[in-house]
Amino acid sequence: DGGITQSPKYLFRKEGQNVTLSCEQNLNHDAMYWYRQDPGQGLRLIYYSQIVNDFQKGDIAEGYSVSREKKESFPLTVTSAQKNPTAFYLCASRPSGRANSYEQYFGPGTRLTVT
Amino acid sequence: GIQVEQSPPDLILQEGANSTLRCNFSDSVNNLQWFHQNPWGQLINLFYIPSGTKQNGRLSATTVATERYSLLYISSSQTTDSGVYFCAVGQRVGSQGNLIFGKGTKLSVKP
Repeated sequence: DGGITQSPKYLFRKEGQNVTLSCEQNLNHDAMYWYRQDPGQGLRLIYYSQIVNDFQKGDIAEGYSVSREKKESFPLTVTSAQKNPTAFYLCASRPSGRANSYEQYFGPGTRLTVT
Repeated sequence: GIQVEQSPPDLILQEGANSTLRCNFSDSVNNLQWFHQNPWGQLINLFYIPSGTKQNGRLSATTVATERYSLLYISSSQTTDSGVYFCAVGQRVGSQGNLIFGKGTKLSVKP
């Protein structure tokens, strides 16, 4: 099946630890995105990548880092510098270079709790 | 940056009722998507509709880009329609396909 997978579904960490969230897609999409959702809020963009080995900061990149070594993978690291890391994290992807290429598709999300 | 406002913030319906959700945006867009977020958090694509009208079963959507709003219609609502509905837009200038989300409309359909 084609789609976007995120793992793990739930993640618990102690304050001060870095943690990496996985996002994989087999849709052959070029662009990938990371969003954060807080309770009762919409999604906010953390980082995005249009092509392999290139990525850009979104609106709330502080305390996060990413890599894009492969087209199908876009892992997000939540570092100890992120002041409020507890949130729901969603990964998305979209094709590019075609009509309707701006439509984004989302993975199931990872709920991160830091105590 | 572009602002996205959704209304109403909360909506309670009896099963079988119809509803209209609204999304206003403050600037020109080249992308507008409607999503349904289910109780498990999954965002389900409903419509990709930067302009015009589309229908899918009991759901339909209309975007009037020149007047900067979009409407999502839900007819004959069912309890499975409950959840949060998000509107998200992509900006026309300098867009990398990034989406700006509204805060959502929380819909509760009672049996």
